[in-house]
Amino acid sequence: EVQLVESGGGLVKPGGSLRLSCAASGFTFSNDWMSWVRQAPGKGLEWVGQIKTKAEGGTTEYAAPVKGRFTISRDDSKNTLYLQMNSLQTEDTAVYYCRTTYYGESAFDIWGQGTVVTVSS
Amino acid sequence: DIVMTQSPDSLAVSLGEGATINCKSSQSILYSSNNKNSLVWYQQKPGQPPKLLIYWASTRESGVPDRFSGSGSGTDFTLTISSLQAEDVAVYYCQQYHSSPPTFGQGTKLEIK
Repeated sequence: EVQLVESGGGLVKPGGSLRLSCAASGFTFSNDWMSWVRQAPGKGLEWVGQIKTKAEGGTTEYAAPVKGRFTISRDDSKNTLYLQMNSLQTEDTAVYYCRTTYYGESAFDIWGQGTVVTVSS
Repeated sequence: DIVMTQSPDSLAVSLGEGATINCKSSQSILYSSNNKNSLVWYQQKPGQPPKLLIYWASTRESGVPDRFSGSGSGTDFTLTISSLQAEDVAVYYCQQYHSSPPTFGQGTKLEIK
């Protein structure tokens, strides 16, 4: 079964750090671009960033609100995606989803169930 | 960044009636290699991740009921539900994948009248 499972969410104080993980199974993780999308309480979906495959240089891109504070990485040997979040702000409170998407002749569009991050004093 | 604007923000429709949600992109999202528009539609129910309904603006994902259809071209796109069922109550999002960063519409909340 194709699956993404996030973990690592929790309550953290402003200025603190947290690392999220996303374990992938059922597909060839190393071949796929991976991304993080977040959703603040009662709000819409916001792309956080993405990482390309190692074969494509493992290049990362980030949304402006998190650039310089968040870092996406991957460990293909563990089929795991990471999101290191530093200098957390109350505005970072959200459900964080990992996902992988590809649209060609058919679609491959997989989301995890999400992990909750709450930034509060 | 490409801005995606959905309308309306919320919509109430009677069971069995049709529903239409619009999505406008701030610039063309046409992928020249296949002449298709790089747009997806998602359905999100409370406490769940988004579920893919439509990709390439009009291709229905496998397993999605045929009452859901996508259309549009240029910068204007539409998700149509032909006959609303109770299980269609959800928030619907469009998202472009033409260029980075991928951007979402603000969402349209669909309810039963």
